Amino acid sequence: QLQLQESGPGLVKPSETLSLTCTVSGGSISSSSYHWGWIRQSPEKGLEWIGTIYYSGTTYYNPSLKSRVTVSVDTSKNQFSLKVTSVTATDTAVYYCARQSTVVVTNWFAPWGQGTLVTVSS
Amino acid sequence: QSVLTQPPSVSAAPGQKVTISCSGSTSNIGNNYVSWYRQFPGTAPKLLIYDNNKRPSGIPDRFSGSKSGTSATLGITGLQTGDEADYYCATWESSLSTVIFGGGTKLTVL
Repeated sequence: QLQLQESGPGLVKPSETLSLTCTVSGGSISSSSYHWGWIRQSPEKGLEWIGTIYYSGTTYYNPSLKSRVTVSVDTSKNQFSLKVTSVTATDTAVYYCARQSTVVVTNWFAPWGQGTLVTVSS
Repeated sequence: QSVLTQPPSVSAAPGQKVTISCSGSTSNIGNNYVSWYRQFPGTAPKLLIYDNNKRPSGIPDRFSGSKSGTSATLGITGLQTGDEADYYCATWESSLSTVIFGGGTKLTVL
């Protein structure tokens, strides 16, 4: 059974970089059938797609976040990662990683990691 | 405010049927597939419906999805108190090249 688990600091200072890793178990991140995505959720913005990566390294980003976001993959560790630079309080959210079908036209997320709360505060 | 419009809340009695709507436009629902998710408080969303009307393995046939034009609908029959949760629709927004989610609908089973 495929499982995903987010890890990383729960508290980040304003203007610094948020870094999270998603570890995939029970399946290979190098599967040609799927992509791997990051989604966040806050009371203010609801669910918000951040970005997605294919095992080959091809990335897709939410245009509203693209200038500050980098998603990368480490197939040897079966992990993919998220970096968000220059964070502000508006980046405070629960961050989820998930397996994604494709990106354009048809896209769905399953399963999801349990989520990790990241708070931006000094 | 989300590009996809869902009613903030719906309610129905146990055993009854409820539908949750998701309204969009030609640049999103009208030309792309819709997925639906259920989220219990403090937990991650779970996929209920993908590609407008397909159920993943393990999702009971009490859950159904449909799409017509620029709107999609999630239907739940045989309501149970355990169905109380938040429900979200999602699709691709072609004009912005981004995945978008609806604002969510809170289902109450009276």
